Formats: sequence, C-alpha cells, structure tokens
Amino acid sequence: AQKITQTQPGMFVQEKEAVTLDCTYDTSDPSYGLFWYKQPSSGEMIFLIYQGSYDQQNATEGRYSLNFQKARKSANLVISASQLGDSAMYFCAMREGRNAGNMLTFGGGTRLMVKP
Amino acid sequence: EAGVAQSPRYKIIEKRQSVAFWCNPISGHATLYWYQQILGQGPKLLIQFQNNGVVDDSQLPKDRFSAERLKGVDSTLKIQPAKLEDSAVYLCASSARTGRMNTEAFFGQGTRLTVV
Repeated sequence: AQKITQTQPGMFVQEKEAVTLDCTYDTSDPSYGLFWYKQPSSGEMIFLIYQGSYDQQNATEGRYSLNFQKARKSANLVISASQLGDSAMYFCAMREGRNAGNMLTFGGGTRLMVKP
Repeated sequence: EAGVAQSPRYKIIEKRQSVAFWCNPISGHATLYWYQQILGQGPKLLIQFQNNGVVDDSQLPKDRFSAERLKGVDSTLKIQPAKLEDSAVYLCASSARTGRMNTEAFFGQGTRLTVV
C-alpha cells in the first residue's frame, strides 16, 4: 500500500490566489512527521514545512500552512497569495518514528502551475 | 554553509556500461541518503548511511548498484551494468543526526542519468 498519496498530478492557480495541495498518508505508528518539499525545474528539493503527529496546532511558515487532519490522515499544503515563482513540483513526505533510519518516504508529487 | 554537492550534473551512457556518481554532504551531517527519482515520480530511497555504516539498503538493486561512504563523509553510488530503466535523477541528501522527528534532509541538485 502507498504510504503517501498525492492525488493531484497537476494544478493551476491564478497569481495572488490561494491553492491547496492534497496529501494523505498511511501509518500505524503513533509517532510520525510530515514534510513538504518544493522541487523547481532546477532539480533541488527545498524544504518548506513540517508537521509532527503530536503537534497540537497546524504548522505555518510564511505563505505556507499545513492543514493537518489527523483522523483523516491528511496533511494538505496551503499556499496563500500564489506567486509565479511557486510554479514547481511539490512533494509530501513522511518519517515514521519506528523507522530506525529516519528515512523519508515521498509521494508522487503535484505539479503546480501559477498563471499570471 | 555549503550545501550538498553532487557530480556530475548530467551523464549519458549506453546500456551495459558502468557509471559512478559522487556526493559530498553538508559538513558534520552523519546521515546520507541516495534517492532515485524517475521522471514523473517521487524520490525513492536506494540506500541510507549513518556515518560509514549502512542503515537501510532494502530497495537497492544489489545485483547492479553499489554504494559506499568511506570515512563517513563523501559517498559514491555506482551502477554496473546500466539498464535503460536506470534512467533517472539520482539525488543525494544529508541530515544531522539529532534523533528528532523534525530533522530535515538537505538535498543536492542531483545527477540526471540517461541510459541509451
């Protein structure tokens, strides 16, 4: 079974609008962390935001916020006031607590395209 | 601080040839990862090192792929012999060994391998 599912292969958003990128996850471990990374066309993965399974509040980092719904096992990324530079691939990833190596497992990604 | 360095950036080889990729992690980072990212997919972990020991290589095709991290710093990933399906971007990442769930991984720009 997929551990991380991103159901939107591609998304369009108008510049200055908000957009939500979906991510659902599957784990039986009570301790886990969820990450979002941005991958522009240049190839490097850029860390955006982190949410821990025990965090009481949704994470926020500037224009990025995470809509964490633990019961639904979803961790959607919300980008407010989209900019042209936000056009990129976005990956959701998970680290499970019992994973001794602390590896990150990635979803298939969502390509975001911001329209001027 | 300097980021994760990878070389070469691009490589084109014929099938059945061998190829090697090099990675220099962020100074002081004990954990090093090699990920394979096939076009249109999310990164898949190939191997993870903690210092110079292997933590997880369960998804490394050991009949053709090998990796080492001598002295717990630089790492090389080798493919011998290459197959067409090995065409992908090979990403190296590193993280500090903090034991904390929110420890982020820092990625290099990757090596894009094309096997013809």
